[in-house]
Amino acid sequence: KQEVTQIPAALSVPEGENLVLNCSFTDSAIYNLQWFRQDPGKGLTSLLLIQSSQREQTSGRLNASLDKSSGRSTLYIAASQPGDSATYLCAGTGGATNKLIFGTGTLLAVQP
Amino acid sequence: NAGVTQTPKFQVLKTGQSMTLQCAQDMNHEYMSWYRQDPGMGLRLIHYSVGAGITDQGEVPNGYNVSRSTTEDFPLRLLSAAPSQTSVYFCASSFARVSSGANVLTFGAGSRLTVL
Repeated sequence: KQEVTQIPAALSVPEGENLVLNCSFTDSAIYNLQWFRQDPGKGLTSLLLIQSSQREQTSGRLNASLDKSSGRSTLYIAASQPGDSATYLCAGTGGATNKLIFGTGTLLAVQP
Repeated sequence: NAGVTQTPKFQVLKTGQSMTLQCAQDMNHEYMSWYRQDPGMGLRLIHYSVGAGITDQGEVPNGYNVSRSTTEDFPLRLLSAAPSQTSVYFCASSFARVSSGANVLTFGAGSRLTVL
C-alpha cells in the first residue's frame, strides 16, 4: 500500500529564509505529483503539478522537483514571507492505484 | 466565482441520524471525489466519480453513499451517522477521467461534521 511521509511535520523560520519541504513515497513508481497549500479552516489550493513526463515545476518563488528513482519530492520556497504560513501537503499517484495519495502535511510558520 | 461549492459548512448530528453533504462544481469537470481529513491521518478518499452515472469506492467508503446524476453535482450521504464519522469533508474535482492525479485538483472549502 502506497504511503506518503512528509518531513518535517512542522517548521518555523524567520522571514526571508529559503526553505525545503520533503515528501517521500513508499512505492517509488510515482506518475504524477501535486503540492497543495491549506490555510487554517480552508480547503486545499493546488500549487504545482508535476506530470508523468516532467521532473520539476516552478511558479514564482516555488519550485517542486520529483526524483522518480527514489520516490521523493521536494518543495523549495525562496525568500519566505509571513503570507507563506500554512500547511503544505504533497499527493501522488503511482504504484497499484491511479488515485491521489496524500501526505499528512508540513505546518510552516514564517516569523516576521 | 467558478469552483467547487460545498454545503453545509458546519453540521452537528446525533448518532444514527442521516444527512447529505452537497457538492457542486461549475467547471464541467468529469472527475469528482470526496475526502475526509482527520488529524494525523491526512486526506483519505471516500468515493469518487469519473462521470455522470459512474461512481466507485475509495479507501474508506463504509457508511457513505454517493450518486452522480449530473456532471455538476456529487452529493455524499451518511446513512446512519456514527461518532467515528466526525471529520472535515472535502469535495474535489478535476478534468481527468482516468487518473485523479494527472490534472490539477480543485477543492471545496470543506464541511465540518460533528457526530455526538
